[in-house]
Amino acid sequence: GQNIDQPTEMTATEGAIVQINCTYQTSGFNGLFWYQQHAGEAPTFLSYNVLDGLEEKGRFSSFLSRSKGYSYLLLKELQMKDSASYLCAVRDSGGYQKVTFGTGTKLQVIP
Amino acid sequence: DTAVSQTPKYLVTQMGNDKSIKCEQNLGHDTMYWYKQDSKKFLKIMFSYNNKELIINETVPNRFSPKSPDKAHLNLHINSLELGDSAVYFCASSQVGPPNEQFFGPGTRLTVL
Repeated sequence: GQNIDQPTEMTATEGAIVQINCTYQTSGFNGLFWYQQHAGEAPTFLSYNVLDGLEEKGRFSSFLSRSKGYSYLLLKELQMKDSASYLCAVRDSGGYQKVTFGTGTKLQVIP
Repeated sequence: DTAVSQTPKYLVTQMGNDKSIKCEQNLGHDTMYWYKQDSKKFLKIMFSYNNKELIINETVPNRFSPKSPDKAHLNLHINSLELGDSAVYFCASSQVGPPNEQFFGPGTRLTVL
């Protein structure tokens, strides 16, 4: 099974940089996802890491260390619209490759 | 040109009733999912179908029965609704092959009174 930990809430200032951490314990690993979910809306895909290292996509970057069971999502040049929950999700390596979501980190961006 | 659609968006019903939620995706994906997101925002997998075949069935009460008439549709029927079933139910789909990220429908907010 999977166990995924993220901070429950974070607050950051507009224009700043924020790092959201995710740690996981898994019986098998085949990729880590980050999703963004605005209040009252569906989750939307942000990033995917399966190998160690940093993946950059515009203002968002995601890092993975498989040996440490650790990932982070880095958001640069924060905007008010980045206020949302950020969900870390891990896919296992079993035949059906189930994806398990963490409880999410609610980020509030303040002026 | 909605990718993943669900109906209804809101569902308010009495305990003991039976209700269905429908989901359709026009992305050509082979795999579809049902998730439940409770009041604490925890998103939990319930079922997954690959090309109309059930491949993931988490510990979900038998009152929940998914049906996939074809690979573009995945419906969820719930019998004898209980207060604890109140949640937002999301349908999602994904393609085969990495990264196979999931595309989510808008959600159905179910309230059981």
